[in-house]
Amino acid sequence: NAGVTQTPKFRILKIGQSMTLQCAQDMNHNYMYWYRQDPGMGLKLIYYSVGAGITDKGEVPNGYNVSRSTTEDFPLRLELAAPSQTSVYFCASSPRTSGSNEQFFGPGTRLTVL
Amino acid sequence: KQEVTQIPAALSVPEGENLVLNCSFTDSAIYNLQWFRQDPGKGLTSLLLIQSSQREQTSGRLNASLDKSSGRSTLYIAASQPGDSATYLCAVYGGATNKLIFGTGTLLAVQP
Repeated sequence: NAGVTQTPKFRILKIGQSMTLQCAQDMNHNYMYWYRQDPGMGLKLIYYSVGAGITDKGEVPNGYNVSRSTTEDFPLRLELAAPSQTSVYFCASSPRTSGSNEQFFGPGTRLTVL
Repeated sequence: KQEVTQIPAALSVPEGENLVLNCSFTDSAIYNLQWFRQDPGKGLTSLLLIQSSQREQTSGRLNASLDKSSGRSTLYIAASQPGDSATYLCAVYGGATNKLIFGTGTLLAVQP
């Protein structure tokens, strides 16, 4: 299994540009999550999904959108990039069974907005 | 609101020393607690997950304990090695909210 994969690894955007961060998992996990990590801070939840077609806001959803059309993919969309969105973005997935809801993380996307 | 605190923020030890990292949380109604390792510029690697009904989990030189009533967890690393140098994050999961709440981490440096 490849686990959780994210693309791109790095990206520089200009203010006002848009982009989509891709996330895919091949573990057939129902739950998927997007987090952002700012320097010296813990991770904060942006959006999450409990299954295909179902998404919900996390702690810091403003400026982002998500969709979940398949179990495998959970893309994160930035519509109008702002310097405050400069961060490292992590995608995670979890089986969320009665036995475990351990979360597995991708390698991250480092985004800079100038 | 659940808050997770990790102390110390940074720790430097000589190789071979045993060490303890601390994690505290304000709301004891958690489903489980997870310890992660993060290397510079990398993603998170799950080290140990402790269910709320468990007291501890062990993996190799790592041992994590959980005391729900006092809102504390510790990660014990035995016979530390330079390769253990990384940031260690703890996170608690309150099942009803579907959210993993992270601490800000402890940056560990093991000197050869």
